[in-house]
Amino acid sequence: QSVLTQPPSVSAAPGQRVAISCSGHTLNIQYHFVSWYQVLPGKAPKLIMFDNDVRPSGIPDRFSGSTSGTSVNLDITGLQTGDEGDYFCATWHSGLSAVVFGGGTKLTVL
Amino acid sequence: QVQVQQWGAGLLKPSETLSLSCGGQDGSFSGSSWNWVRQSPGQGLEWIGEINDRGITIYNPSLKSRVIISRDRSRKRISLSLASVTAADTAVYFCARLLAPMAPQNMDVWGKGTTVIVSS
Repeated sequence: QSVLTQPPSVSAAPGQRVAISCSGHTLNIQYHFVSWYQVLPGKAPKLIMFDNDVRPSGIPDRFSGSTSGTSVNLDITGLQTGDEGDYFCATWHSGLSAVVFGGGTKLTVL
Repeated sequence: QVQVQQWGAGLLKPSETLSLSCGGQDGSFSGSSWNWVRQSPGQGLEWIGEINDRGITIYNPSLKSRVIISRDRSRKRISLSLASVTAADTAVYFCARLLAPMAPQNMDVWGKGTTVIVSS
C-alpha cells in the first residue's frame, strides 16, 4: 500500500477535464512539495508538475496543479488521446527518508 | 537537451548482482544529482536512491542493505549495483536527474530505461 493515495483510474472524453488527486499524511504534503509524472505506454516517466503547481518548460497549460488540505491535485483540461497513460505523484517522506510515489492513476480518454 | 544513455545486463539469475550504468556527454551531467528509479511489471514507481554531485548517497531503506550507487566524474557516469537479486527485482530501471538539489522527488531528465529480468 502506497504512502500517497491516488484513484486507480479516471476517464473522460476528448476535450473534457479530469482531476487526479494525491492524498497523504500531513507529514508529507504540508512539509514537502509534490511532483507529478506522466508515464505513457513504453516510455520513461516525464515530469509534468513540481512544487505542487509549477509546470516545467514545455508542459502545456492544459496541465495544472493545486492543493486542498492534505491533498494535491492534477487537473488536465482539453483532454487528448495522447494524454492516455499512467500518472504518478511523488514527494519526499521525511519519516521514511525516501522519495515515495503514489500508486498511480490510469487515465483513459474515451 | 541532455542526452542520457543507459546500459547493463538485462538477464540475471537469482542471487546475482545487478549492475547498470547511466551516462551522458552533456556538461551538466557532472554537476547534477541523480536518482535511480524502477518500475516492476504492471506496478508503480519505486525510488531506489540518489547520488549528489559530491558523491553522497541516500538509499531507499527497503533496499539499503543491497544497493550501492556510485559516480565516475571523469567518465560522466553513474552506476547502480543491487546485490542478491530475486524475481521481485525484475523491473525496468531508470536513471533520472534531479531538477535541483534538496528536492529528490523532482526529476526532469530520464534515461530510456533498462529492462532487467531475474529468472533461474
